[in-house]
Amino acid sequence: EIVLTQSPGTLSLSPGDRATLFCRASQSVSGNFLAWYQQKPGQAPRLLIYGASNRAIDMPDRFSGSGSGTDFTLTISRLEPEDFGVYFCQHYGRSPPVTFGQGTRLEIK
Amino acid sequence: VQLQESGPGLLKPSETLSLTCTLSGGSISTYYWSWIRQPPGKGLEFIGHIFYNGSTVYNPSVRSRVIMSVDRSRRQFSLELRSVTAGDTAVYYCARYTWLGVRAFDIWGLGTRVTVSS
Repeated sequence: EIVLTQSPGTLSLSPGDRATLFCRASQSVSGNFLAWYQQKPGQAPRLLIYGASNRAIDMPDRFSGSGSGTDFTLTISRLEPEDFGVYFCQHYGRSPPVTFGQGTRLEIK
Repeated sequence: VQLQESGPGLLKPSETLSLTCTLSGGSISTYYWSWIRQPPGKGLEFIGHIFYNGSTVYNPSVRSRVIMSVDRSRRQFSLELRSVTAGDTAVYYCARYTWLGVRAFDIWGLGTRVTVSS
């Protein structure tokens, strides 16, 4: 069973800062099936990154994803006020077929 | 493309949860149609999904209690979760999993809150 562990649990930053969020898999996974989502309070999650490094439609280019194997990273180059929320990584595999990380809360410092 | 969940918001323990998701715009074909839930203050849990042709993939944690179905003519897909407990209290989202190219949940419904309480 693949487990995704995200770090840090909470990240406190200011607008204009650079944010780096991590997602570690308990065993090597294909980046083709690794995605990142953003969730704002009271809203559904929204797809940010798919295939580890591809931005979803309409996602600003300040969001980028990278990584392979067991270690994946989501970077927000310059935080905007609307970027604060919770970020989840997710993998599609075999058993269980879909795994989500526990989330990183990005809050305004 | 939009998804909209519908169904009762309050159930008693041991009852069956029935939710429907309606697709507006786009095609119901060639996608997986998914159910994901989020308990209050917690993370996301995949329940399962159904391909447009009716084949299903369920999370082992709920497999014994869940049935999913799809009605292509009505552009709807449904979730039934039997024998609910307080642990099934959550916001339930329907979502589209695009397996060609994107390989992610790229469209989500707004979510519907379900509470299980006696």
